Amino acid sequence: KQEVTQIPAALSVPEGENLVLNCSFTDSAIYNLQWFRQDPGKGLTSLLLIQSSQREQTSGRLNASLDKSSGRSTLYIAASQPGDSATYLCAVDNYGQNFVFGPGTRLSVLP
Amino acid sequence: GAVVSQHPSWVICKSGTSVKIECRSLDFQATTMFWYRQFPKQSLMLMATSNEGSKATYEQGVEKDKFLINHASLTLSTLTVTSAHPEDSSFYICSARVRGTGRNTEAFFGQGTRLTVV
Repeated sequence: KQEVTQIPAALSVPEGENLVLNCSFTDSAIYNLQWFRQDPGKGLTSLLLIQSSQREQTSGRLNASLDKSSGRSTLYIAASQPGDSATYLCAVDNYGQNFVFGPGTRLSVLP
Repeated sequence: GAVVSQHPSWVICKSGTSVKIECRSLDFQATTMFWYRQFPKQSLMLMATSNEGSKATYEQGVEKDKFLINHASLTLSTLTVTSAHPEDSSFYICSARVRGTGRNTEAFFGQGTRLTVV
């Protein structure tokens, strides 16, 4: 059974810092991995999708990497801003069907 | 990206009543839609997989008679919480994949529905 963990559970940083959020999964036989952002009481916003054949994806200040063999992904946020404050969820595509979500990292960027 | 519309965004209902939540893929066809539930400060947990034209597949521990799922067309899936109780209060969110584009495709999520049973 696929299990996804995320470290840290919560993070509070001053504005401008570069951040690394970590995601680990137990079964490396995945099709893709997706990072989402969730604001309080809201739905999910897709940030980056990394397919199993890829090693990283970039969008603006965000960069996500994937190491299938070790079961790890990282989300790098450059020059953090208060507007980045949210919960970041890592989700593993479980054999092309449903997603298995991690518990999330609650990020607070202080002005 | 593709758009998944979920309605209503929030609902308050009395204990014992039923609530229907709709999930629509607006600009693509979705053979399969997924329904998730998120309790406060917890992550999303898959409840069931909805397949167009067939019965839904429920995850272990999810009562199929309580959470009725209908996938009547390639663009619409509904989740009905029957005889709702306060413990059913949660955030429900649907997801869909573009039909026929293989497994390595991005999943799109609805905005979610906040259900409060009083």
